[in-house]
Amino acid sequence: NAGVTQTPKFQVLKTGQSMTLQCAQDMNHNSMYWYRQDPGMGLRLIYYSASEGTTDKGEVPNGYNVSRLNKREFSLRLESAAPSQTSVYFCASSPHQTGGYTFGSGTRLTVV
Amino acid sequence: GQQLNQSPQSMFIQEGEDVSMNCTSSSIFNTWLWYKQDPGEGPVLLIALYKAGELTSNGRLTAQFGITRKDSFLNISASIPSDVGIYFCAGQETSGSRLTFGEGTQLTVNP
Repeated sequence: NAGVTQTPKFQVLKTGQSMTLQCAQDMNHNSMYWYRQDPGMGLRLIYYSASEGTTDKGEVPNGYNVSRLNKREFSLRLESAAPSQTSVYFCASSPHQTGGYTFGSGTRLTVV
Repeated sequence: GQQLNQSPQSMFIQEGEDVSMNCTSSSIFNTWLWYKQDPGEGPVLLIALYKAGELTSNGRLTAQFGITRKDSFLNISASIPSDVGIYFCAGQETSGSRLTFGEGTQLTVNP
């Protein structure tokens, strides 16, 4: 099925470890996004990529980096994980920065 | 940044009841969207609204784009257990701007 694929689905990290969350879309969308979801706080934008070759900070970028590898793929990296980064991470894409976003099924990250 | 106020934060209802939730903004939006997030999944688009006053239905769901362009409403009629989840509103101020999401309404339906 066409859509947004995120890997891994679950991950447990120790404080200080690094990891990369992968996201790929096969809908030929230009724009891609990374959100985190915490209880009672809705969806908060971490980084986004309006088009291939560009990335920009969202509301909560500290502690994260991103790479728009090509039009399909947008990865999120935690260089030194902290317990405050325990969250559910969603990747999304859209044709442009308009209209509806299509979301992946999420990565559930726990930092101990 | 732009804030969307979504209410209520949570609802506990009996199967068969109707549900209403809304979002308000301090700014004018050109687009309003409603998403549903099932437990353990990502949000899925339910309804998109593009014109002030627009009323759009999707099965038992009906959403309206407020005339002032600063609010939107979602109604669910005759709720069923599979309606359980988190409902998010999202708005877009201008063409090309990113979506702003509300904080969600957690809906629980008791059989």
